[in-house]
Amino acid sequence: SYVLTQPPSVSVAPGRTARITCGGDNIGSQSVHWYQQRPGQAPVLVIHYDNVRPSGVPERFSGSNSGNMATLTISGVEAGDEAVYYCHMWHSDSDPVVFGGGTKLTVL
Amino acid sequence: EVQLVESGGGLVQPGGTLRLSCAASGFTFSDYYMDWVRQAPGKGLEWVGRTRNRANSYTTEYAASVKGRFIISRDDSKNSLYLQMSSLKSGDTAVYYCAGAYSVTAGFEYWGQGALVTVSS
Repeated sequence: SYVLTQPPSVSVAPGRTARITCGGDNIGSQSVHWYQQRPGQAPVLVIHYDNVRPSGVPERFSGSNSGNMATLTISGVEAGDEAVYYCHMWHSDSDPVVFGGGTKLTVL
Repeated sequence: EVQLVESGGGLVQPGGTLRLSCAASGFTFSDYYMDWVRQAPGKGLEWVGRTRNRANSYTTEYAASVKGRFIISRDDSKNSLYLQMSSLKSGDTAVYYCAGAYSVTAGFEYWGQGALVTVSS
């Protein structure tokens, strides 16, 4: 089955830029979506279709997707951005909905 | 305001059955693909399965890990989604979320708060 690979953790100082990657074979050929999950809460969609922000998501959040890597970029990181971030895509495979393993973002 | 509210979680013995419900409001439920996603304690998100919308004949798909044991259904007249779970194993212990997506390749716009299912003797 198709696998999406994320780094387990990323750390960044407040005000800096965080980049969270999601690797997969030819991932650039499919749409990738990103979720933020704070402790004890349900996931929230922060980027869909590679680089589209849903209503209410700050402009600090952006995305890109090309080749074998998709990236979620958070500019001007704030303490409230500390959460686990998951990538997600649909794939024409036996398990068509695929999630990455999640990346814990720590704000130093 | 969009709401997805799961119910029916609880403690069940291995080999047992349980039915989860998800009540939707605030959006056109019948237009959406509805999925179940679970999260084992301290782990990541795992897709369980989905039911497509009426335009796509309500077809269902399941993860290999639950195929043949879980059944997903929906009642658009009640804006409700269901997950019938049987032959439960300890590995099915998780928080189960219902989630809505507008198309087969779309992201999950809407999520419920989750229902905890614990499989233990």
